Amino acid sequence: QVQLVESGGGLVKPGGSLRLSCAASGFTFSDYYMSWIRQAPGKGLEWVSYISSSGSTIYYADSVKGRFTISRDNAKNSLYLQMNSLRAEDTAVYYCARAPRRQPHYFDYWGQGTLVTVSS
Amino acid sequence: SYVLTQPPSVSVAPGKTARITCGGNNIGSKSVHWYQQKPGQAPVLVIYYDSDRPSGIPERFSGSNSGNTATLTISRVEAGDEADYYCQVWDSSSDHPLVFGGGTKLTVL
Repeated sequence: QVQLVESGGGLVKPGGSLRLSCAASGFTFSDYYMSWIRQAPGKGLEWVSYISSSGSTIYYADSVKGRFTISRDNAKNSLYLQMNSLRAEDTAVYYCARAPRRQPHYFDYWGQGTLVTVSS
Repeated sequence: SYVLTQPPSVSVAPGKTARITCGGNNIGSKSVHWYQQKPGQAPVLVIYYDSDRPSGIPERFSGSNSGNTATLTISRVEAGDEADYYCQVWDSSSDHPLVFGGGTKLTVL
């Protein structure tokens, strides 16, 4: 069955860096677009970044552009989010999510999320 | 960028019908997707492409989309339907194509 398992979250000081990973299994990872979506405590869902199956097409939300980098390693069935220059407002649960193969404009599977806390 | 507007909360008695709206400029020209999120859990897709249901989602969940409003309808509401619901669209005209609504808390009275 499809599984997405995020890791790499934790407590980091403002201005610091963190790298999130998402390990995928149960499907042919290289065929699917993927995304990172976050949720600040008590708030709604916020899309962060999106990457095509080959990695050739990438989008970022304005709130993270220039600070975050999405990437993937199809040989390792893994999705990554490198987060630099972290701010308090980046504190959130970060989910990785899979977009369906033929119509990759929504998300059919989500991981359980990893918590990132930015605080001094 | 494109904006989706949802009511913060909707309340409904068990067995009744809940309707959660998602407003956007000419949203009827876009495809709308809906997610359910229960406390402490990841979101779950409940409706895609306006009105399609993933396998495993009860027929009580349905969707429609026309004009400036998309609607998620939950018939014969159960206590287990209490959750936050989010609409989402893909705005192909934007460099920031993925948009979520602010979410609606469904309370079952």
